[in-house]
Amino acid sequence: EAGVVQSPRYKIIEKKQPVAFWCNPISGHNTLYWYLQNLGQGPELLIRYENEEAVDDSQLPKDRFSAERLKGVDSTLKIQPAELGDSAVYLCASSPRGGFGETQYFGPGTRLLVL
Amino acid sequence: AQSVTQPDIHITVSEGASLELRCNYSYGATPYLFWYVQSPGQGLQLLLKYFSGDTLVQGIKGFEAEFKRSQSSFNLRKPSVHWSDAAEYFCAVIPLSSGSARQLTFGSGTQLTVLP
Repeated sequence: EAGVVQSPRYKIIEKKQPVAFWCNPISGHNTLYWYLQNLGQGPELLIRYENEEAVDDSQLPKDRFSAERLKGVDSTLKIQPAELGDSAVYLCASSPRGGFGETQYFGPGTRLLVL
Repeated sequence: AQSVTQPDIHITVSEGASLELRCNYSYGATPYLFWYVQSPGQGLQLLLKYFSGDTLVQGIKGFEAEFKRSQSSFNLRKPSVHWSDAAEYFCAVIPLSSGSARQLTFGSGTQLTVLP
């Protein structure tokens, strides 16, 4: 069974440029999560989807970040414009139903460097 | 403040030695407890989790963890470390306390180096 797929794996951009990350969850998983992982820190939740609905986006900086999961399968996270402080690893995870305490399966992440 | 703490930023052990990674939490009610491992270039992988019941939890790759309510701890252990265990280890919780977001909340991680 294929795991969570993320692309690109690495991205280098200049500040003020836009950037997008793509995630394809494990087949059949209804719940999708985007996390931000700063250097030397644990991941922090940005947004959680149940199918195509964003059910928790309280920690997504909405002035520059946006996300979508149009058909309830794959998802895109966008930053526009990027700032130096956005340099981090962006992780995507999925789980079957989003049940409380349900195991989340993580992708390898996209490492973003903003110059 | 409500938090999950991993006191050790970096630990070095020799191959074959035993390992213990510390995790402490500070929440009004005992949260759900997890340990994840992150190897370079790979996603976070769940090692084990504790919700209730037997306080000694067995996980994958020979790891185990012990929940101690009196110490608010959930330490990860392995009797004999292999070179392939070198990675970053994260303790995580899902708080059950009122006023806490019921989402997976991670500690800052412990980097494990294994010497040959």
